[in-house]
Amino acid sequence: KAGVTQTPRYLIKTRGQQVTLSCSPISGHRSVSWYQQTPGQGLQFLFEYFSETQRNKGNFPGRFSGRQFSNSRSEMNVSTLELGDSALYLCASSYRAGISYEQYFGPGTRLTVT
Amino acid sequence: AQSVSQHNHHVILSEAASLELGCNYSYGGTVNLFWYVQYPGQHLQLLLKYFSGDPLVKGIKGFEAEFIKSKFSFNLRKPSVQWSDTAEYFCAVVESNFGNEKLTFGTGTRLTIIP
Repeated sequence: KAGVTQTPRYLIKTRGQQVTLSCSPISGHRSVSWYQQTPGQGLQFLFEYFSETQRNKGNFPGRFSGRQFSNSRSEMNVSTLELGDSALYLCASSYRAGISYEQYFGPGTRLTVT
Repeated sequence: AQSVSQHNHHVILSEAASLELGCNYSYGGTVNLFWYVQYPGQHLQLLLKYFSGDPLVKGIKGFEAEFIKSKFSFNLRKPSVQWSDTAEYFCAVVESNFGNEKLTFGTGTRLTIIP
């Protein structure tokens, strides 16, 4: 089975721009979660989608949004980028709804904001 | 707000030494507990998890963890480490409150095993 894939793997954006990251879950998985990983803050949960509905949300500003499509693929959007948004963004998928179940992580998208 | 503490930021051990990595959390309600591991150049993967029942849980590669509710702890252990255990280890806690789940990770512990 193919693992979780994320595109693009690397991205450089300018402050004020917006960015969209994509995640394709493992086939059959309907839950997709997003995480931000930075050296200072560590791993932080952004949100979880299941069957195209946001089920859980972390403590991030409204500039961070997401959506899930009927094929379970998910996108994460960050508007009005700030320097502090530079991070590794990880996506994880799970067969069951909820972040309490085993999640399979992708390789991440490295976002650099200049 | 919930917090998860991993007090050891970097641990260096020789092969065959015993390992214990600490994890403490602050939430007093129902929790699910996890240890994730990230080997160099690889994706984050689940090592073990605790939902309920026996507080001593066993995971992959000989790892185990003990949930001590009174101490709000979920320490990771391995009796004899190998060079291949070199990785970064993350403790994570999910608090459940009326169907709303909140996930918090610890800051991670980097483990270096010297051959």
